[in-house]
Amino acid sequence: QQQVKQSPQSLIVQKGGISIINCAYENTAFDYFPWYQQFPGKGPALLIAIRPDVSEKKEGRFTISFNKSAKQFSLHIMDSQPGDSATYFCAASRDYKLSFGAGTTVTVRA
Amino acid sequence: EAQVTQNPRYLITVTGKKLTVTCSQNMNHEYMSWYRQDPGLGLRQIYYSMNVEVTDKGDVPEGYKVSRKEKRNFPLILESPSPNQTSLYFCASSLRVRGASLNYEQYFGPGTRLTVT
Repeated sequence: QQQVKQSPQSLIVQKGGISIINCAYENTAFDYFPWYQQFPGKGPALLIAIRPDVSEKKEGRFTISFNKSAKQFSLHIMDSQPGDSATYFCAASRDYKLSFGAGTTVTVRA
Repeated sequence: EAQVTQNPRYLITVTGKKLTVTCSQNMNHEYMSWYRQDPGLGLRQIYYSMNVEVTDKGDVPEGYKVSRKEKRNFPLILESPSPNQTSLYFCASSLRVRGASLNYEQYFGPGTRLTVT
């Protein structure tokens, strides 16, 4: 079964708006939580990542919020741009393995 | 240019006909992995390798084989493909594994779209 649950499946946001994608996990052994961005016809590429001892990490317009007690983490895309239109995957790592969420397709309307 | 290459990019085959998808990286990475991507399921890890001659199962290894005889290459073998192995396959590599977890960036190849009829 899916070890990392991701929602929503898709979202549409206006240019300049905020996109929020949520993920939840059960296995407390996970110790590394990356987000990957994938454009059509391409392989995923690392966007930003966080460890569970940190509650928030920001890189440019992308922010990960991490709630260890709730076993949830989320990606916020601020000031969304048309170039951000892509599929986003959350993931969690333990014991050399990487488990992905099902993905969220983000469409940014100009 | 640092990259992960996969061949072929597209493959249509018939049930039971053995095939190999090659993966090669030029970054001297120790860790390599194979994933399959299916709609609504995201990416699922098939096999991974922490170094030459060291491989282990991911979450969905059934029906697949791998080998790691050289550091740069990590081929995926389907000895008797079936229609449920129709999918988009990605190879990835990572610089090294630190401690007990994988926490270095994984670089993905461009993908191989496999159709088994």
